[in-house]
Amino acid sequence: GAVVSQHPSWVICKSGTSVKIECRSLDFQATTMFWYRQFPKQSLMLMATSNEGSKATYEQGVEKDKFLINHASLTLSTLTVTSAHPEDSSFYICSAGMFYEQYFGPGTRLTVT
Amino acid sequence: KNEVEQSPQNLTAQEGEFITINCSYSVGISALHWLQQHPGGGIVSLFMLSSGKKKHGRLIATINIQEKHSSLHITASHPRDSAVYICAVSEGYGGATNKLIFGTGTLLAVQP
Repeated sequence: GAVVSQHPSWVICKSGTSVKIECRSLDFQATTMFWYRQFPKQSLMLMATSNEGSKATYEQGVEKDKFLINHASLTLSTLTVTSAHPEDSSFYICSAGMFYEQYFGPGTRLTVT
Repeated sequence: KNEVEQSPQNLTAQEGEFITINCSYSVGISALHWLQQHPGGGIVSLFMLSSGKKKHGRLIATINIQEKHSSLHITASHPRDSAVYICAVSEGYGGATNKLIFGTGTLLAVQP
């Protein structure tokens, strides 16, 4: 079946630094990739939608200069949290879309100290 | 009113019981997803439905497009089934490029 990986699975960084999270579709080419954020005991919140080779579409309230998304190929999208702050600590999940399916990555837990 | 509603929000069952989680939605969709998330864990896709019924092991998912309703059933429940189950719909008809609208999830605890 279709597999989506994320790297790293968890990361701790200091306030003010930047962190890059990778999302890869391992055995298929994804037409679209989605980035979600999840706070404890809450559902997923869509941050942005990205298509290969074009700029990401951000949801209302998501700062595009803070959460940089690059979709370099049909199998790789990256999310960079710039100048991270403790309030950016969260669980970040990507999904990759193909036809009518969406396949989810395992998530990346970010802790900003 | 949320576009995707799940019930119940919390469910406690004894091992071996038959479990049903319901999902109702109010928008036009191209597909409905059932997802599973264990505490502290990532999201696992269980089913993607656009019509009818699907079965995988002890899990069964059904959807009624006319009534805008789906159910997830777990037969012979086991403590390892304890997780949050999330219903999500793909709004509109664009396929994999559609955004998903998520329900708030059902927290299932299966006691031995």
